[in-house]
Amino acid sequence: EAGVTQFPSHSVIEKGQTVTLRCDPISGHDNLYWYRRVMGKEIKFLLHFVKESKQDESGMPNNRFLAERTGGTYSTLKVQPAELEDSGVYFCASSQVSGGKKLFFGSGTQLSVL
Amino acid sequence: AQSVSQHNHHVILSEAASLELGCNYSYGGTVNLFWYVQYPGQHLQLLLKYFSGDPLVKGIKGFEAEFIKSKFSFNLRKPSVQWSDTAEYFCAVNAPGASGSARQLTFGSGTQLTVLP
Repeated sequence: EAGVTQFPSHSVIEKGQTVTLRCDPISGHDNLYWYRRVMGKEIKFLLHFVKESKQDESGMPNNRFLAERTGGTYSTLKVQPAELEDSGVYFCASSQVSGGKKLFFGSGTQLSVL
Repeated sequence: AQSVSQHNHHVILSEAASLELGCNYSYGGTVNLFWYVQYPGQHLQLLLKYFSGDPLVKGIKGFEAEFIKSKFSFNLRKPSVQWSDTAEYFCAVNAPGASGSARQLTFGSGTQLTVLP
């Protein structure tokens, strides 16, 4: 069974540009989460989808971040325009049930904004 | 809001040494507790978890953790580390009965463990 996959694994962009990260959850997992780790600090929750609906987006830092999950399958996270402080590792995770008891994580996307 | 503290940012040990990584959380209600590990170049993997019952939980690869409710702690232990345990370890907590972001996983800042051969 394929795990959670994220693309790209690395992205280097200039300040002001746009970047779109993609996450493919494990097939059949309705719950999809985005997390971010900035500058070696703690991994922070960004948002949670249940199928195509945003269940909780309280962790989204500002309106430069837009997450979508059209059709309830893969999800994208767009940063527009990117700022220096957006650099970090963006993790995606999925689970069959809500509540965070059994999350499967992707390998993350390392985003560097120069 | 809940928070998780991992006091050791980087731990260096020789093989066969014993390991204890500290984790403290702040939340007054019922919590689920987790330790995740990220080996170099790999994704985050669940090492062990505590939901209820016996506060001493055993995970994969000989790791265990003890939940001490009075101390709000969930320290990770291994009696004898191996070179292959070199990785970054994250403690995490969520409050499944809470509302809002408290239901989601809150991570500590991670502890990098380096085991010298």
